[in-house]
Amino acid sequence: GENVEQHPSTLSVQEGDSAVIKCTYSDSASNYFPWYKQELGKRPQLIIDIRSNVGEKKDQRIAVTLNKTAKHFSLHITETQPEDSAVYFCAARFGNEKLTFGTGTRLTIIP
Amino acid sequence: GAVVSQHPSWVICKSGTSVKIECRSLDFQATTMFWYRQFPKQSLMLMATSNEGSKATYEQGVEKDKFLINHASLTLSTLTVTSAHPEDSSFYICSATPGQGGYGYTFGSGTRLTVV
Repeated sequence: GENVEQHPSTLSVQEGDSAVIKCTYSDSASNYFPWYKQELGKRPQLIIDIRSNVGEKKDQRIAVTLNKTAKHFSLHITETQPEDSAVYFCAARFGNEKLTFGTGTRLTIIP
Repeated sequence: GAVVSQHPSWVICKSGTSVKIECRSLDFQATTMFWYRQFPKQSLMLMATSNEGSKATYEQGVEKDKFLINHASLTLSTLTVTSAHPEDSSFYICSATPGQGGYGYTFGSGTRLTVV
């Protein structure tokens, strides 16, 4: 079945440093890869996404890279700030519409 | 932007009773809705996919007779947890998409269900 692996499960970063979270997926036909930020008890919020025909996308301090050959994609957050502390989930779209989520990364920014 | 309204935001019910959770797309037609369950400190696990006017497709291991999903219109989908038990206590979240291969997934605000 569809599978998305995410690493690391926890990540602590000094404020101002960069954070990188990595995901791998199993289905080579996957065509859409969003990243979500979730705060406790809240809905997931889309922070950036990438489609399979693009290798990299950047939005201010956040970037995502996609390696289709290796079937992995990564989230990069630069100049981290305390408000970046949250749980981050990667996801991949399998088939026409269904999203499968990674296991999540708890990111803590140390002031 | 697209908005999905989910109600209630939290509910406490007694074991054996049923609870209905509603998700409404407010400004777009949601051809497809997804229902997820999230246990504390865990990921979102897809329970089922519902398309307007047809039966929901349940993920492996999800009891369709226990988690009844109705997607009667393009703006409303409901999840009913029947004969709830304490192990059903969880955070339930819906997500809607206009479908047709589009890329927009809009999440509801979630429902915290506690069964006592």
